[in-house]
Amino acid sequence: GESVGLHLPTLSVQEGDNSIINCAYSNSASDYFIWYKQESGKGPQFIIDIRSNMDKRQGQRVTVLLNKTVKHLSLQIAATQPGDSAVYFCAENRETSYDKVIFGPGTSLSVIP
Amino acid sequence: SQTIHQWPATLVQPVGSPLSLECTVEGTSNPNLYWYRQAAGRGLQLLFYSVGIGQISSEVPQNLSASRPQDRQFILSSKKLLLSDSGFYLCAWSPWGGKETQYFGPGTRLLVL
Repeated sequence: GESVGLHLPTLSVQEGDNSIINCAYSNSASDYFIWYKQESGKGPQFIIDIRSNMDKRQGQRVTVLLNKTVKHLSLQIAATQPGDSAVYFCAENRETSYDKVIFGPGTSLSVIP
Repeated sequence: SQTIHQWPATLVQPVGSPLSLECTVEGTSNPNLYWYRQAAGRGLQLLFYSVGIGQISSEVPQNLSASRPQDRQFILSSKKLLLSDSGFYLCAWSPWGGKETQYFGPGTRLLVL
């Protein structure tokens, strides 16, 4: 089910280090996955997406890895900066009778200067 | 390019008062539209989605309703607000028909006293 009632897990990272944010999904029929970044008081912003026919996709300083065998998704941020401090959500699109994106509970990333 | 607007940005309302939050999208036609609620420090809860004018699907039973009077306008309403309606309300759109990313508005912060 949707994890909207859980408190956010947190991750603290030293500036300049790499960050890895993990996400598990439950539906093996999901075939499209998205990572969002939400800064305090703002709406989520698209970071990167990946389709199920891929296992890795790279963007600018970010990489998304998809392991369909264990239904696991991760977001790697290289050389983490203070501006990366935010809540990060993974989302999956399930093959149901309508297109609906299901969001994970989110992870709060705190960058230590 | 597409843009999504929400207003008001913040709202303080007494219990029992009505509510109307508006969301409009520019630069696209036939978008899928969504209303989410986010409690402080929590994930996103999908409230309503719409695939066309007058077509509204509700995800959870609640004190709220939604309407889509025009193609790019989505309204969230309540006849009588409850304390539990407080939260951060996010509108989002996605291109019609496909498994695509949702793009979020800036959100409305509602405090019911």
